[in-house]
Amino acid sequence: GAVVSQHPSRVICKSGTSVKIECRSLDFQATTMFWYRQFPKQSLMLMATSNEGSKATYEQGVEKDKFLINHASLTLSTLTVTSAHPEDSSFYICSARTGGVPYEQYFGPGTRLTVT
Amino acid sequence: DAKTTQPTSMDCAEGRAANLPCNHSTISGNEYVYWYRQIHSQGPQYIIHGLKNNETNEMASLIITEDRKSSTLILPHATLRDTAVYYCIVRTNFGNEKLTFGTGTRLTIIP
Repeated sequence: GAVVSQHPSRVICKSGTSVKIECRSLDFQATTMFWYRQFPKQSLMLMATSNEGSKATYEQGVEKDKFLINHASLTLSTLTVTSAHPEDSSFYICSARTGGVPYEQYFGPGTRLTVT
Repeated sequence: DAKTTQPTSMDCAEGRAANLPCNHSTISGNEYVYWYRQIHSQGPQYIIHGLKNNETNEMASLIITEDRKSSTLILPHATLRDTAVYYCIVRTNFGNEKLTFGTGTRLTIIP
């Protein structure tokens, strides 16, 4: 299957700082990318959908000014957690969707964010 | 509203076939059945998908009932590395439909 990478895989930051997570589709172009968040022992929750060249669409309850998403190219999307707090500590997973029908959706390995 | 219902957990002996059921009684005609799995602390991995017919690939088989209201994912010879949470998801392949995860089935392979 197609490969999606994330960087970094783990990050620890201090409260109040910002953290950027990169998501790349390595062998295909992704017009649409998704960002999920997963707390311990819970399922994945969709945070936002990003389309290349346009503003991201956020799910209800997700603060767009806190979770900045940029989908600058067909292979790269970034998620910036601004002014991070301990409650933002979570497993962040990106996903990229291929073009065509039926389309496929592939997931990155995830980024473990710990805010101290 | 949950589109699928799966058992919370299952055990299977190593080397045996693991059969994971999924109910999707409200599935519509243009919705596919997708299966993903998530091994601990990793991103979800695509397994297989189908619309009406049974499907098989190198990882698993998918059996869909004739009325499409339920399906079964079969891992033919389970190994310890198959221990994971398995998610059954129904969705169309049109537009910008989002992939929404339920609680899934936690499958534990017993040595």
